[in-house]
Amino acid sequence: AQSVAQPEDQVNVAEGNPLTVKCTYSVSGNPYLFWYVQYPNRGLQFLLKYITGDNLVKGSYGFEAEFNKSQTSFHLKKPSALVSDSALYFCAVRDRQAGTALIFGKGTTLSVSS
Amino acid sequence: ETGVTQSPTHLIKTRGQQVTLRCSSQSGHNTVSWYQQALGQGPQFIFQYYREEENGRGNFPPRFSGLQFPNYSSELNVNALELDDSALYLCASSSERDSYNEQFFGPGTRLTVL
Repeated sequence: AQSVAQPEDQVNVAEGNPLTVKCTYSVSGNPYLFWYVQYPNRGLQFLLKYITGDNLVKGSYGFEAEFNKSQTSFHLKKPSALVSDSALYFCAVRDRQAGTALIFGKGTTLSVSS
Repeated sequence: ETGVTQSPTHLIKTRGQQVTLRCSSQSGHNTVSWYQQALGQGPQFIFQYYREEENGRGNFPPRFSGLQFPNYSSELNVNALELDDSALYLCASSSERDSYNEQFFGPGTRLTVL
């Protein structure tokens, strides 16, 4: 069965420091991987995706993610965190057995302190 | 370009009742997916509609049903509501012209079942 795991419920970083939000996946074949962010009382906003090509993917708001096939990971990163980055982050993988549906992780709350 | 919209924003129902949630897809999108996000969890795929036909379904009982209309808007119907149906219901639209079918999410409908 296809799945994604986000091992950390919460990540705390100080403003200006680099941040990493972890994600590992389990799929058969080549994965289509996504990161979304959710602010309170809002829907999900797309950050970036990996389909194929370069292992380092750049996305919105200065975020990037590194695809590592050997470690089956797709960690989200940002060189310098902002307080406004505080939100709930979801990793997702395309469910190849259900149209173009996404399978989401349980989410990681990022808290950036000033 | 109009984004994905959902109505209503919030609603409260009692156990055993029926509810209909509505979603208008983003302009140019012909695929709509519905997700259920329980408190503290990641979104879970309910089903997807493509050109008015169901195009994939997650692990939800038949009392969860849907429709897609010729203008690609969609409804989610839930019969015989249970307390565990309390959640944020998210609608996402995508286009077959986007070969990687990135999904765009609406703000969600918060359903409370008492």
